Amino acid sequence: RKEVEQDPGPFNVPEGATVAFNCTYSNSASQSFFWYRQDCRKEPKLLMSVYSSGNEDGRFTAQLNRASQYISLLIRDSKLSDSATYLCVVSAFRDGGSQGNLIFGKGTKLSVKP
Amino acid sequence: GAGVSQSPRYKVAKRGQDVALRCDPISGHVSLFWYQQALGQGPEFLTYFQNEAQLDKSGLPSDRFFAERPEGSVSTLKIQRTQQEDSAVYLCASSSNRVAIYFGEGSWLTVV
Repeated sequence: RKEVEQDPGPFNVPEGATVAFNCTYSNSASQSFFWYRQDCRKEPKLLMSVYSSGNEDGRFTAQLNRASQYISLLIRDSKLSDSATYLCVVSAFRDGGSQGNLIFGKGTKLSVKP
Repeated sequence: GAGVSQSPRYKVAKRGQDVALRCDPISGHVSLFWYQQALGQGPEFLTYFQNEAQLDKSGLPSDRFFAERPEGSVSTLKIQRTQQEDSAVYLCASSSNRVAIYFGEGSWLTVV
């Protein structure tokens, strides 16, 4: 079982639609959670961190459910420029003290159409 | 520039050839990471440095992969005797606080 699982999509939605992505993670000891955005042939870029209390940044809302080990991202009023792959990311804690690595899902592809 | 810089951007290597990929992190960033991203996959962790110390190399897929950061700034990822399965984008990232990390544009390696 992959440590971070996402529906690969693609999600094809019209402009203005609301779309939601989900992600599950297997390591209950994970401490930090993020959504990254990756455009085609570009590097991943941090979209937002995810907190248990939920957080919102403009049209984007992220939620974390630690009990269910589940993370979500909601995009309201989709724009053409939102078309990208959205990567669910969790931090990994390893024995020996390194907290430097992040575990990425495969990503969910979103295509917003006019 | 202000971002993470990687070179070469594109590399075609013959199977069995050695390659070296360079990463110049954001100035002052203590942490440096290497990731490998195959087509259609998310980035996979390879190794992590804090300054010049390599604290985690558990993601390196074989002993053909070697990374160094001798002066705590520029890092080099070396792949010896490249194989076709090594074809991927190699992403370098740096961070000042291990929470937000910033990726370079990647080095696209194709082994033929």
